[in-house]
Amino acid sequence: EIVLTQSPGTLSVSPGEKITLSCRASTSVRSDFLAWYQQRPGQAPRLLIYATSTRATGIPDRFSGSGSGTDFTLTISRLEPEDFAVYYCQQYAGAPRTFGQGTKVDIK
Amino acid sequence: QVQLVQSGAEVKKPGASVTVSCKASGYRFTDYYIHWVRQAPGQGPEWMGLFNPSGGKPMFAPNFEGRIILTSDMSTGTFYMEVRSLRSDDTATYYCARPGVAARLAPFDYWGQGTLVTVSA
Repeated sequence: EIVLTQSPGTLSVSPGEKITLSCRASTSVRSDFLAWYQQRPGQAPRLLIYATSTRATGIPDRFSGSGSGTDFTLTISRLEPEDFAVYYCQQYAGAPRTFGQGTKVDIK
Repeated sequence: QVQLVQSGAEVKKPGASVTVSCKASGYRFTDYYIHWVRQAPGQGPEWMGLFNPSGGKPMFAPNFEGRIILTSDMSTGTFYMEVRSLRSDDTATYYCARPGVAARLAPFDYWGQGTLVTVSA
């Protein structure tokens, strides 16, 4: 099983700031199969990025993804109020699919 | 548009079983896998398994092999997950999810609204 470790656990930031979230895999993941999700309280996860760097439909361009091998990042260039949420990475290269434990982005 | 609508919240005793349903609409049911994911309070999502609506073999996460059953009623586009031998640590919100493309290795574009299952004596 591929274990995904996200850091930091919590990030306290102000609107308008740029942030970078990290996702490290226990073994190499093909970049075709790494995704990021956003989850707001009381809602299901929402797909943001797939194949490491491709934005899902309707996702604004302030969200970007990069990485390869075991190290992947999600960058939000200018935080908007609606971006304060929890972010999860996921690998879907095989079974079992696995998720990271999440990074919570909250308002400083 | 694609929609996944799940059944309502459940409260069960330890050792019981629960069945969660997921009614799909807005697409051809046989074309897309349905995945099941759960999320315990304050935790990250946990993938449980996938159902192949075209009749292929389901796949399960090792933690759930032998304890969950995935079925469907293709006449209504409803998918079911039964979890047996419930324990208190099965308390979680359970989701069905569907990829945006008709491929086995694909992320989850569409999600149900979630079904809270509480296991308590």
